[in-house]
Amino acid sequence: SQQGEEDPQALSIQEGENATMNCSYKTSINNLQWYRQNSGRGLVHLILIRSNEREKHSGRLRVTLDTSKKSSSLLITASRAADTASYFCATDAKGEYGNKLVFGAGTILRVKS
Amino acid sequence: GAVVSQHPSWVICKSGTSVKIECRSLDFQATTMFWYRQFPKQSLMLMATSNEGSKATYEQGVEKDKFLINHASLTLSTLTVTSAHPEDSSFYICSARGGVAGGFFSYEQYFGPGTRLTVT
Repeated sequence: SQQGEEDPQALSIQEGENATMNCSYKTSINNLQWYRQNSGRGLVHLILIRSNEREKHSGRLRVTLDTSKKSSSLLITASRAADTASYFCATDAKGEYGNKLVFGAGTILRVKS
Repeated sequence: GAVVSQHPSWVICKSGTSVKIECRSLDFQATTMFWYRQFPKQSLMLMATSNEGSKATYEQGVEKDKFLINHASLTLSTLTVTSAHPEDSSFYICSARGGVAGGFFSYEQYFGPGTRLTVT
């Protein structure tokens, strides 16, 4: 089952613009992670933000987390054509063998050059 | 960082046959492994979770007799799609999580590159 819902489903921007993607989830979390996936390829881990953190930066990426609203956002600044990919948030959910990652629906980002 | 491999990277099989996909953790011992399925333009859906030496736990709606999971060692898990049909065509991704590392339990999941299964 999916816990995270993301919007927008698809986003098309010009190179150099910023891209913002949002993720909402339903249950309490220990952390929230963002991944990128190029078409037909595996996942690339971008950033992890813990439940007691509100904001985190990594290069051109900025992630915010609002646990009161159960939502997170991923901002990519100064986008490049190479940023074209699908972006997923993932939250940890309780499982029989410890926590398991459950993914949101994802946002398809297209950066036009 | 931790590396997870999958084999094969892609496979085409005929309807009714069985296909086995391997997932290996190359430089760490994976106490828990996860199998996900991803249809085109959709998200990853968790199929099952397994601990080494134990039976897998399947998510609701996943047929355990159709998707056989064997986590025989701390570095290898296999997913066998039995009597495959065209609707089983999908991208299958495994993920591995290690145990204690440096005195602390690691919750991080490392993902394999995925296996593209096409059933004709």
